[in-house]
Amino acid sequence: GAVVSQHPSRVICKSGTSVKIECRSLDFQATTMFWYRQFPKQSLMLMATSNEGSKATYEQGVEKDKFLINHASLTLSTLTVTSAHPEDSSFYICSVAPGQGVHYGYTFGSGTRLTVV
Amino acid sequence: KQEVTQIPAALSVPEGENLVLNCSFTDSAIYNLQWFRQDPGKGLTSLLLIQSSQREQTSGRLNASLDKSSGRSTLYIAASQPGDSATYLCAVRSTGNQFYFGTGTSLTVIP
Repeated sequence: GAVVSQHPSRVICKSGTSVKIECRSLDFQATTMFWYRQFPKQSLMLMATSNEGSKATYEQGVEKDKFLINHASLTLSTLTVTSAHPEDSSFYICSVAPGQGVHYGYTFGSGTRLTVV
Repeated sequence: KQEVTQIPAALSVPEGENLVLNCSFTDSAIYNLQWFRQDPGKGLTSLLLIQSSQREQTSGRLNASLDKSSGRSTLYIAASQPGDSATYLCAVRSTGNQFYFGTGTSLTVIP
């Protein structure tokens, strides 16, 4: 199956700074990647769909100027949390669907724990 | 909108027991259903993927079933081990190409 690498695994930043999270598809060219957010003891919530070479599609309620997504190549998507605040502290996970058909399952990165102090 | 529910929310069993985790979804128009395992502070590991046309999938001590018409899936874990302790999530891929996660079941296997 596909291998997805996410970096960093853990980051602590000061309020007001920006943080970039990388998601790499190591053995598969992913035209589409997905970004999720997970609060403690809750399930994953889709934030946005990252499309290679075009603008990301954001879910309702997710601020696109706050969470900047760039998918410049078929193997890399980045999520930048701009002007981070403590309420942005969360677990962020990316995923890819390693196949063009809808019958393929999803593979997830290892996640990034963001703490804003 | 698809809603995915998992019961129970938490489960604690002694080592060696067989157990069943439940997942239900409200819209049967799905492409597939996937079971994941998540360890604390970690990402998701895919356990089993069941296509909408399939009834079950097996991998080692794990067996997942799917009854699409009734909107249900179960994950059966045989001879549970302490290493099975984790949160188990089910997710469905709807025909609208959205991916919906369940609320998760936190499993603790006591040695």
